[in-house]
Amino acid sequence: GQQLNQSPQSMFIQEGEDVSMNCTSSSIFNTWLWYKQDPGEGPVLLIALYKAGELTSNGRLTAQFGITRKDSFLNISASIPSDVGIYFCAGQLWSNFGNEKLTFGTGTRLTIIP
Amino acid sequence: SAVISQKPSRDICQRGTSLTIQCQVDSQVTMMFWYRQQPGQSLTLIATANQGSEATYESGFVIDKFPISRPNLTFSTLTVSNMSPEDSSIYLCSVGYTEAFFGQGTRLTVV
Repeated sequence: GQQLNQSPQSMFIQEGEDVSMNCTSSSIFNTWLWYKQDPGEGPVLLIALYKAGELTSNGRLTAQFGITRKDSFLNISASIPSDVGIYFCAGQLWSNFGNEKLTFGTGTRLTIIP
Repeated sequence: SAVISQKPSRDICQRGTSLTIQCQVDSQVTMMFWYRQQPGQSLTLIATANQGSEATYESGFVIDKFPISRPNLTFSTLTVSNMSPEDSSIYLCSVGYTEAFFGQGTRLTVV
């Protein structure tokens, strides 16, 4: 089946630093999404991307849908303590039978060092 | 958006027993989804629950182990049957086929 690999697996940064993480797939997707999961909570949608090459921002977050449709990246500018958590990418393929299920990436754990 | 409530939020269960997890949505939805998140891992779809029909299970998940009910358009349950320690995970329900909204999850520990 499809696999989404995220890198890095974990990041340790200082408050105020910029963050960059990416997600790659062995096959193409029509939709890329980025979620954040806080401890003890379910994932929350951050950004949805629907078009190859699309660049979308949500506050300090910026995500891009790769031209090849096999990758996506997420940037966080000027990190703050509440950015701590696990970030998941997810991809979805459209087919003649309807949208396929969401496939989630392996996750990037972000920690802010005091 | 949708507000999703899951119960219980966590439980510790004896092996061999079963636990039923409830998921309530604040609006009517056609499909509800159940995911498993094993410790430190990503989310894996267990099944899709449609109101009025049998749930559709993903490869590796079977109805006998994870029976699902969907009695109406705002509610679903997932039962984890005959539990073993390997079933210790977070179980999440969600709605939304692409831009998914998740409940807070049920953290299950099997001892």
